Amino acid sequence: QSALTQPPSASGSPGQSVTISCTGTSSDVGGYDRVSWYQQHPGKAPKLMIYEVTKRPSGVPDRFSGSKSGNTASLTVSGLQAEDEADYYCSSYAGSNSYVVFGGGTKLTVL
Amino acid sequence: QVQLVQSGAEVKKPGASVKVSCKASGYTFSNYGIIWVRQAPGQGLEWMGWISAYNGNTIYAQMLQGRVTMTTDTSTSTAYMDLRSLRSDDTAVYYCARDRNSVYSGNSWSSDNWGQGTLVTVSS
Repeated sequence: QSALTQPPSASGSPGQSVTISCTGTSSDVGGYDRVSWYQQHPGKAPKLMIYEVTKRPSGVPDRFSGSKSGNTASLTVSGLQAEDEADYYCSSYAGSNSYVVFGGGTKLTVL
Repeated sequence: QVQLVQSGAEVKKPGASVKVSCKASGYTFSNYGIIWVRQAPGQGLEWMGWISAYNGNTIYAQMLQGRVTMTTDTSTSTAYMDLRSLRSDDTAVYYCARDRNSVYSGNSWSSDNWGQGTLVTVSS
């Protein structure tokens, strides 16, 4: 069982927006602005999409955005494209006991 | 450009050890930390630990304490992950990844460059 809770699946049509949630506790998501989101295509290594809750690495389209409210972080993908179909994982710093915890992953399907 | 190239797939028997390497290029190796993450077949990501290539400091996930050792060789810009007393549930793809921030900035606890992964199969 993963420390952070994500919905197992999400979907949307091309051009639509979809939001994926990541729920933790005050000891991880709620306690630190150190939430990251990773995209993983089948058979590939994860790719960093969002770090420090809202920041986008260079090269990541601005269709991807992150936010946080309380113990829940969210990844929003706007203007869905076929290549966005992938698994998405959130992670958070969790202090000096657990350090980094991941969510169980969300499979995003572009209909 | 930043590249992390990992060693090849391994097949081990239960109780054995495995050592996975991760050779970095395209940046100053000692300025960044390296994390190790594993992914069991069809499962999610699991953080294993972190090592500073600057001073060798390590942090290990509690569930792996005593079985895992992470090291670096700055002369070859290579990080290593050694896992002992292997069990069938250690079967996974093992990834190394570079910290997004250098040792001179605050830790963002995120990783922006990943190796290609190394499949370790534990089977009798």
